[in-house]
Amino acid sequence: GESVGLHLPTLSVQEGDNSIINCAYSNSASDYFIWYKQESGKGPQFIIDIRSNMDKRQGQRVTVLLNKTVKHLSLQIAATQPGDSAVYFCAENMNSGAGSYQLTFGKGTKLSVIP
Amino acid sequence: NAGVTQTPKFQVLKTGQSMTLQCAQDMNHEYMSWYRQDPGMGLRLIHYSVGAGITDQGEVPNGYNVSRSTTEDFPLRLLSAAPSQTSVYFCASKGSSYNSPLHFGNGTRLTVT
Repeated sequence: GESVGLHLPTLSVQEGDNSIINCAYSNSASDYFIWYKQESGKGPQFIIDIRSNMDKRQGQRVTVLLNKTVKHLSLQIAATQPGDSAVYFCAENMNSGAGSYQLTFGKGTKLSVIP
Repeated sequence: NAGVTQTPKFQVLKTGQSMTLQCAQDMNHEYMSWYRQDPGMGLRLIHYSVGAGITDQGEVPNGYNVSRSTTEDFPLRLLSAAPSQTSVYFCASKGSSYNSPLHFGNGTRLTVT
């Protein structure tokens, strides 16, 4: 099975509330993690990334938290807006040496924002 | 800046037909890749390339060929389409820094009947 998974396949959030999307990974050799947002009919769009030597990184309205002890990744969206409605994917890159780069994606969580 | 451009957006093929999905990027990225996206399966890597003249297989390469004659273009070829290849195909590229994210095109929706 995939090494990257999600705790919740769907999430409904009231507009203005904060959203938290979770992701579990099983490969301790992974050293780089990315969150993507995918709107209907479009390709995945980069949101934020984090390296394994960090445990938190903030962007505009988004924060990614990395807990390597339990192999858990989360995406927090502050003040969720209707435009945040989409499917969110986490992805991990396992460093197999020589600068290799092959992302493994989770199956996605659908975020629905209730106006 | 167009980013990653994929053509066509939609395609219907009959079993056994061949076709090429086009992908071009204008960001001078060395790394390019193809993914397929199926319901419940997430994104799976088909083939990738770390530079012109270099290609390698991903997780699900069977039934697909690629070539990389230029930095900008990375076409994906289906030599004999099968219904199992019905999917949405995404091309992506990234910069040379190890920890830089993939940039995706908007996909090609392929149906094989």
